[in-house]
Amino acid sequence: GENVEQHPSTLSVQEGDSAVIKCTYSDSASNYFPWYKQELGKGPQLIIDIRSNVGEKKDQRIAVTLNKTAKHFSLHITETQPEDSAVYFCAAINNNDMRFGAGTRLTVKP
Amino acid sequence: DGGITQSPKYLFRKEGQNVTLSCEQNLNHDAMYWYRQDPGQGLRLIYYSQIVNDFQKGDIAEGYSVSREKKESFPLTVTSAQKNPTAFYLCASSGGLAGQYEQYFGPGTRLTVT
Repeated sequence: GENVEQHPSTLSVQEGDSAVIKCTYSDSASNYFPWYKQELGKGPQLIIDIRSNVGEKKDQRIAVTLNKTAKHFSLHITETQPEDSAVYFCAAINNNDMRFGAGTRLTVKP
Repeated sequence: DGGITQSPKYLFRKEGQNVTLSCEQNLNHDAMYWYRQDPGQGLRLIYYSQIVNDFQKGDIAEGYSVSREKKESFPLTVTSAQKNPTAFYLCASSGGLAGQYEQYFGPGTRLTVT
């Protein structure tokens, strides 16, 4: 089955800096890679996703890159703001085999 | 106001008792899911359901049971056979084929068993 590793587990940046979170996966058949943001006491919320036929996707300050050969994908947040502080989860999905990373706690210091 | 509701937010039970967690959605989604979240770990899939009256085991189904009698409802029962039931439980739903589209999550239920 799929195995997803996420790094780092915690990340602290200064407001305005960029943040990068990386995930690797093991199942080359995985074809859908969403990223979720979870704020304290709430359920996760999708912030961006990418499918295996695309190498990069951008939505304002957020971008995701996918390297299928190396089986890794990354979340990039530019111009970070204090409200970006949350736990971020990656996931790798092959049909109905859904595996999530362990999460990255991002803290943006004002 | 569309979305997913889970109730209650906090639930306390004594060891040996079964407990049922509620999950309702009014998004007209076909697929629904239950996840368990433990500190320092990612979400782990317990069960999912693609359509009414059908559900499939996820990675950690032992000690749990579900039903899907209505499209909008997917209750999870944590049985006394679940060895370590204290956790944060998240319900989600999505349109289309299970796993292939954005999942909308509820606010979660924190279950404490003593």
